[in-house]
Amino acid sequence: NFMLTQPRSVSESPGKTVTISCTRSSGSIASNYVQWYQQRPGSSPTTVIYENNQRPSGVPDRFSGSIDSSSNSASLTISGLKTEDEADYYCQSYDSSNPVVFGGGTKLTVL
Amino acid sequence: QVQLVESGGGLVKPRGSLRLSCEASGLTFRDYYLSWIRQAPGKGLEWVSYISSSGRTIYYADSVKGRFTISRDNAKNSLYLQMNSLRAEDTAVYYCARVRPSEGGGFDIWGQGTMVTVSS
Repeated sequence: NFMLTQPRSVSESPGKTVTISCTRSSGSIASNYVQWYQQRPGSSPTTVIYENNQRPSGVPDRFSGSIDSSSNSASLTISGLKTEDEADYYCQSYDSSNPVVFGGGTKLTVL
Repeated sequence: QVQLVESGGGLVKPRGSLRLSCEASGLTFRDYYLSWIRQAPGKGLEWVSYISSSGRTIYYADSVKGRFTISRDNAKNSLYLQMNSLRAEDTAVYYCARVRPSEGGGFDIWGQGTMVTVSS
């Protein structure tokens, strides 16, 4: 089984840019798509990025996703930070043996 | 609009059983794979199980294999999770979610969740 490792927390000021990483422990990050979910306190998760870099309709283009094979990781970048972006963010992927794997989550503080 | 509504959560004693339901509306239910995902208090997301559109393909997380059973009734637009031999560590909010109908998968619609508490 592989794991997805995220930083426990990140913080940044409004208007700035923040990047959250998601490192895959084994197998290639490029072999399977990565999704990113946002979960505000008391709410269900919602998708902000799917299939590595695709934004669902309604998600602002301040959110972008990418993968880096050299570090075997995926990244979620949020530019022009707003206080409403403060939330927990989870990456998720899979492989042929593991239908769904979530990262541990990253708490984003916008201060 | 597309909506998933879970029900059936509550307080149950260790080694007890509970059946969760998830009723869907606003979608052609039989076309979609569905999943259960849980979140223990203050913790991250943990995938529990998923079921194909026909119900013929099913997967479980190791943590629930042999104790939980996922099923669906396409005529009733409903997904179920039968949970037996419950343990304290099964305490969590249980979400049902629709699997995105694309190559990359993932979950595009989530319910509001139902809380399960396992305690004596």
